Amino acid sequence: GAVVSQHPSRVICKSGTSVKIECRSLDFQATTMFWYRQFPKQSLMLMATSNEGSKATYEQGVEKDKFLINHASLTLSTLTVTSAHPEDSSFYICSAQGTSTDTQYFGPGTRLTVL
Amino acid sequence: QQQVKQSPQSLIVQKGGISIINCAYENTAFDYFPWYQQFPGKGPALLIAIRPDVSEKKEGRFTISFNKSAKQFSLHIMDSQPGDSATYFCAATRNKLVFGAGTILRVKS
Repeated sequence: GAVVSQHPSRVICKSGTSVKIECRSLDFQATTMFWYRQFPKQSLMLMATSNEGSKATYEQGVEKDKFLINHASLTLSTLTVTSAHPEDSSFYICSAQGTSTDTQYFGPGTRLTVL
Repeated sequence: QQQVKQSPQSLIVQKGGISIINCAYENTAFDYFPWYQQFPGKGPALLIAIRPDVSEKKEGRFTISFNKSAKQFSLHIMDSQPGDSATYFCAATRNKLVFGAGTILRVKS
């Protein structure tokens, strides 16, 4: 099956610092990757969509200068939370989608805690 | 605007029973309807998915029923087991996934 990994699984950082989260598709080429955030007991909210080699498309209300997304290869996308604040604490989940398919495969998620 | 409405919010089922979760959508442009299962602290895992040209799809104990005219679809879990206890999300997509609010299922042994 399609496997998507995320690293790190958990991160704790101080307010004002930046944190980078990696998302990798391990056994397929992901032409499109998505980044979601999920608050406790809530559904997943799409933050942005990225296509390999292109700039990410951000959803309304998501600050593109705060959440930097890079999709440099067909197997790797990164999300950098810049100048993190406690309100950025959340569960961040990526998903990857291959060519000519609608199916998104999700990573295991990254728990970010900003102190 | 919530485009996919999911119910119930929570569900308790006895072991061996049938769990039923319902979803309704508004956007007729949606053309793919997956269901995801999520355990606490984990990412969602694809369970089963359907396209609107099919009225039913079955994979093992999981069945999706799809009613295009009513713009509704549902997940049936037959012979529910304690290990099925998780949060279930329906979703719909054209180019990006829109998720329902989720259903917390608890299967009592």
